Amino acid sequence: AIQMTQSPSSLSASIGDRVTITCRASQGIRSDLGWYQQKPGKAPKLLIYAASSLQSGVPSRFSGSGSGTDFTLTISSLQPEDFATYYCLQDYNYPRTFGQGTKVEIK
Amino acid sequence: EVQLVESGGGLVQPGGSLRLSCAAPGFTLSTYWMTWVRQAPGKGLEWVANIKQDGNVTYYVDSVKGRFTVSRDNAKNSLYLQMHSLRAEDTAVYYCARDRDYYHGSAYYDAFDIWGQGTVVTVSS
Repeated sequence: AIQMTQSPSSLSASIGDRVTITCRASQGIRSDLGWYQQKPGKAPKLLIYAASSLQSGVPSRFSGSGSGTDFTLTISSLQPEDFATYYCLQDYNYPRTFGQGTKVEIK
Repeated sequence: EVQLVESGGGLVQPGGSLRLSCAAPGFTLSTYWMTWVRQAPGKGLEWVANIKQDGNVTYYVDSVKGRFTVSRDNAKNSLYLQMHSLRAEDTAVYYCARDRDYYHGSAYYDAFDIWGQGTVVTVSS
């Protein structure tokens, strides 16, 4: 199975900060990667698909980049509603695998 | 409104069985691959299984192969996860999700665009 490794596991940031989360795949996965946001007690929400395409309705402060093995999720200006846990997911092959998550907390 | 609604979770003893259901009011389930994802208490997300539109192709994570079966009834617009030989490590919130195809840059990609609210499965004596 492809291993997805996110870094950092957690981070503290302030409102308005630029935040970057990385995800590394144990083998090349082209651009077959999505990013999901999860708030406590809630279902995950799709933010980005195909590594860099913004899901409809998602604010433009979210962006994704990368291909092959290295990917990045960037929040350009952190807002109060963005404090959550973020997961990457590879859809290159089976089994699908998630990263371990990155918790974004308030500084 | 496009949504997914899970049901069937509960407390079950180790070695027991449980069947989860996922209804899809608001859209035609038969058009999409469908997926189950779980989350153990305080842990991250784990993909469990998925099923093709016609029900003839399924995939599973290794830890549930031979114990879990994903199925669907398109006439009832519903998805199911039959779980047998349950273990303590199967304790989790189970989510169903719609697996949508996106066409981007001359290729197709998939992603889970609609999620249910989750149903809790607890395996304990």
